[in-house]
Amino acid sequence: GIQVEQSPPDLILQEGANSTLRCNFSDSVNNLQWFHQNPWGQLINLFYIPSGTKQNGRLSATTVATERYSLLYISSSQTTDSGVYFCAVEAGANSKLTFGKGITLSVRP
Amino acid sequence: GAGVSQSPSNKVTEKGKDVELRCDPISGHTALYWYRQSLGQGLEFLIYFQGNSAPDKSGLPSDRFSAERTGGSVSTLTIQRTQQEDSAVYLCASSLLPGQGLLPYEQYFGPGTRLTVT
Repeated sequence: GIQVEQSPPDLILQEGANSTLRCNFSDSVNNLQWFHQNPWGQLINLFYIPSGTKQNGRLSATTVATERYSLLYISSSQTTDSGVYFCAVEAGANSKLTFGKGITLSVRP
Repeated sequence: GAGVSQSPSNKVTEKGKDVELRCDPISGHTALYWYRQSLGQGLEFLIYFQGNSAPDKSGLPSDRFSAERTGGSVSTLTIQRTQQEDSAVYLCASSLLPGQGLLPYEQYFGPGTRLTVT
């Protein structure tokens, strides 16, 4: 099946810093989503982005489908950005999402 | 509108007992998914219901796991004869049915049920 790799596995930032989170996938995809898992375990939808670029406030994402990667940008990070960021993809005719292992982000005040 | 809801939020059970976990999808979403999240395995797919078609059960780890979806809405995940390795957070998600129209079919997740088998 499709493989999803996220990097770096852990990231520590000072409040106000910018960061880039990366997601590589091993095959063409129909769907790619970025999630933020908050401290209570809830998966919050950030972006639905199988291709192209989207922005939402301080967050933006770019997926280059032909090169099989996606990037999540966080600008002017805040302590509330802390948590785990997951990339998940859907490939082929099966609509299940395959998740990466996540990136644990800690933003220090 | 209301999101995906799951109940119970926490469940502690003894090894060997059966448990039922419930999921209420977003109204109008015809696709429903179950996943589980555990420390050793990360987030993994269990089962997918797509409208009236036969469910995709390819992710169920053993025949102790089953799920049904009644009336195209609420779903119940049943684990029989629970084992300690079943301890995990069970997550439900729903989406519009893929392939219908031009609307994106991103999946939205519920808060999960934390299952602890003692």
